[in-house]
Amino acid sequence: NAGVTQTPKFRILKIGQSMTLQCTQDMNHNYMYWYRQDPGMGLKLIYYSVGAGITDKGEVPNGYNVSRSTTEDFPLRLELAAPSQTSVYFCASRKGVDSYEQYFGPGTRLTVT
Amino acid sequence: QKEVEQDPGPLSVPEGAIVSLNCTYSNSAFQYFMWYRQYSRKGPELLMYTYSSGNKEDGRFTAQVDKSSKYISLFIRDSQPSDSATYLCAFGGTSYGKLTFGQGTILTVHP
Repeated sequence: NAGVTQTPKFRILKIGQSMTLQCTQDMNHNYMYWYRQDPGMGLKLIYYSVGAGITDKGEVPNGYNVSRSTTEDFPLRLELAAPSQTSVYFCASRKGVDSYEQYFGPGTRLTVT
Repeated sequence: QKEVEQDPGPLSVPEGAIVSLNCTYSNSAFQYFMWYRQYSRKGPELLMYTYSSGNKEDGRFTAQVDKSSKYISLFIRDSQPSDSATYLCAFGGTSYGKLTFGQGTILTVHP
């Protein structure tokens, strides 16, 4: 099992550009999450999904969009990138209501200049 | 008042020392309490979790929860250089398994 995979590992964007961060899990988990981690700030929840076709906003959703067309994939879309979106982005998954643990991917380091 | 407060450190200790990492929280809805470990340039991984007040031990690690004081701790005995990482407290039990994380404490164990 690969667990949670994320692509790309690194990316530099110019202000105003758009991109999609990919996240895939092969554990058949229902719940998936996107976080951003800024230095010294812990992890902030951007969006989450409880199953295919169901998504909802987290703590810091502005400037981002998500979709969940399959159980495995949960892409995060950045439209009109801004320097404030420079961060490390982590995708995570969780099996379901009876499981507490979230499994994290390796992260995508994004710089917007 | 922040929902979760964690001393960011950094913390530097000699090999073999006992390490104490702490978090306080204000949300009474939190039902389970977790510690994640994050190595440099990696994703966090679950180290320990508990859902009741008291101590839970796993090898060199002990998680302690005091719900009445809204305070959790992680103790590391006989610390090793391989324990050098960022430690994040995390709290759950609200809707849809969402977790609230502390800022993280950077720990360095030097030989």
